[in-house]
Amino acid sequence: QVRLVQSGAEVKKPGASVKVSCKASGYTFTDYYLHWVRQAPGQGLQWMGIINPNGGSASFAQNFQDRVTMTGDTSTSTVYLELSSLRSGDTAVYYCARELFAFDIWGQGTLVTVSS
Amino acid sequence: DIQMTQSPSSLSASVGDRVTLTCRASQGIGNYLAWYQQKPGKVPKLLIYAASTLQSGVPSRFSGSRSGTDFSLTISSLQPEDVATYYCQKYNNAPWTFGQGTRVEVK
Repeated sequence: QVRLVQSGAEVKKPGASVKVSCKASGYTFTDYYLHWVRQAPGQGLQWMGIINPNGGSASFAQNFQDRVTMTGDTSTSTVYLELSSLRSGDTAVYYCARELFAFDIWGQGTLVTVSS
Repeated sequence: DIQMTQSPSSLSASVGDRVTLTCRASQGIGNYLAWYQQKPGKVPKLLIYAASTLQSGVPSRFSGSRSGTDFSLTISSLQPEDVATYYCQKYNNAPWTFGQGTRVEVK
């Protein structure tokens, strides 16, 4: 079946970077855009950006423009989110989501904790 | 950027009640509006897209509608398993903004 499986939880120190992966299966990887969304503890959903797995072009929310990188690997059907210069406010669950009539399939989420 | 404003922020209703949640876009977005359900500790789930199209497998007690830039999600008969936070989202173009959510509880 169609699935997005994300990498495991991370604990990082302030100022460090984190890279989260999202592996797609059950569909043609290059046919659908993928998005990244995060959710801080007790807070709502925040859209971070979009990547086109077919070619790798990406676009980001203004809040993250200077700190985020999104890449894709068609050989493994995996997209990556890298966030740099981490601060405590980046502690959140990070989700990848497939775009088909909005976000129809979501990864299970990856908890990133930023703590000294 | 277009803002998405949901109301109320929370509500409590009895099992069997008809419940309506509202989402207002600050500018026109056509029908590019989705609703998600997020149960506590779980991943968001797509309920409705294109303002009123029910995602496959979603119970028919959920429905969506649009009037201009105002959108509604209605649960025709609230069930205990509907306890969740519901988010609207615009998806016509970037940024794909979410509303702040409406928490639904059962009395």
